[in-house]
Parts: sequence; structure tokens; C-alpha cells
Amino acid sequence: GNSVTQMEGPVTLSEEAFLTINCTYTATGYPSLFWYVQYPGEGLQLLLKATKADDKGSNKGFEATYRKETTSFHLEKGSVQVSDSAVYFCALTLSGGYQKVTFGTGTKLQVIP
Amino acid sequence: NAGVTQTPKFRVLKTGQSMTLLCAQDMNHEYMYWYRQDPGMGLRLIHYSVGEGTTAKGEVPDGYNVSRLKKQNFLLGLESAAPSQTSVYFCASRVLAGNTDTQYFGPGTRLTVL
Repeated sequence: GNSVTQMEGPVTLSEEAFLTINCTYTATGYPSLFWYVQYPGEGLQLLLKATKADDKGSNKGFEATYRKETTSFHLEKGSVQVSDSAVYFCALTLSGGYQKVTFGTGTKLQVIP
Repeated sequence: NAGVTQTPKFRVLKTGQSMTLLCAQDMNHEYMYWYRQDPGMGLRLIHYSVGEGTTAKGEVPDGYNVSRLKKQNFLLGLESAAPSQTSVYFCASRVLAGNTDTQYFGPGTRLTVL
């Protein structure tokens, strides 16, 4: 089956620190990969995505590269801000109109001033 | 555009009571989903729908029923609530067209079953 494994949190960083949140996946086909973000008290929203190997998704200073050889999609940001404090979810779906989306367990990030 | 809305935002039930959660979207999306979010377990899919009049089971469907009578609405029902159903419930609609694949989530319903 399909699955997503994320590093456990919470992750606590000082403002302007470098962020990495690890995500690895198992998929039976050719997945598209996503990062969603959930701010406190809100629903999830799409942060970035990549649809094929070696693609890099980017948004709001966050980046993630689809690595087929290591089945990974790690999220990075060079300099985090307090406003980045949220829960980050890695997710996948299979290409070709697959109906379900599989989410990881989420990683909570807390950025302190 | 209101996006995805959920009603109610909060609810407290007693064991054995029933209720219906309403999800509405105004983006004309075919796909809709119900998830529950529990600490340490991420999002788990309860039921989903790929179009008006269709529903399918997800990962944790037991104790829940759904209906999609209108394209814009996706209802989640609990016939006899149990404490194990205490959770935050999220509805999402999804656009899947060409290179676009995005889920849009509602703000959630926090349900407590006593």
C-alpha cells in the first residue's frame, strides 16, 4: 500500500534558523507529492507540490525536491520566521486521477523569537 | 467564494446520540473527502466521494455514514456516537485537472463525545 513517514516533532527553532522536515514515502505507482500546512485553529492548505522525479516544489521560501532514488520529499527553508509556526503534513497521491490522498502524521514546528 | 465551509464548528454529544456534519463547497469540485484528525495520527480518511450521488469508504469508515445528494454538499453522519469518535473532523474538496491537484480544506468541526 501507500504510506508516508514524517519525522516526529515538535521541532523548535529560533527565528532565522534553517529548517528541514524529513518525509519518506512508499508507493505502488508513480506518486505526486505534497506538503500541506495547518496554522493553529485552521484547516490544511497546500504549501507546495511536485509531480515527478527531480521536480522541485517551492512556495513562500519553502522548497522540497522529489527524490525517487531515496523515496524522499524533505521540506526545507533557509530562514524561518515566527509566522511559520504550524503543523506540516507530507502527502502523496498516485498519478492518473487516483482518488485517495495519503497523509503523514504531521510535524509541528515552533519558531521562537 | 466561500471555499469550503463546515457546520457546526463545535459540538458536544452524549454517547448514543446522533448528528450530521455538513460540508459545503462552492468551487464546483467533483471530489470531496471527510477526514478525522487525532493527536499523533495525522489525518485519516473516513469516506470520500468522486461525484454527485457517489460515496466510498476510506481508511476508518466504521460508525459513520455519508451522502452526496448534491454536488456542493457532503454530509457525514454519526448514528450512535461513541467516545472514540471524539476528534476534529475536516472536510475537503479537491480539484484534479491537468497539472492541478489541490485539496481545499474546511476549518474543521471539533466533536466531543461524552
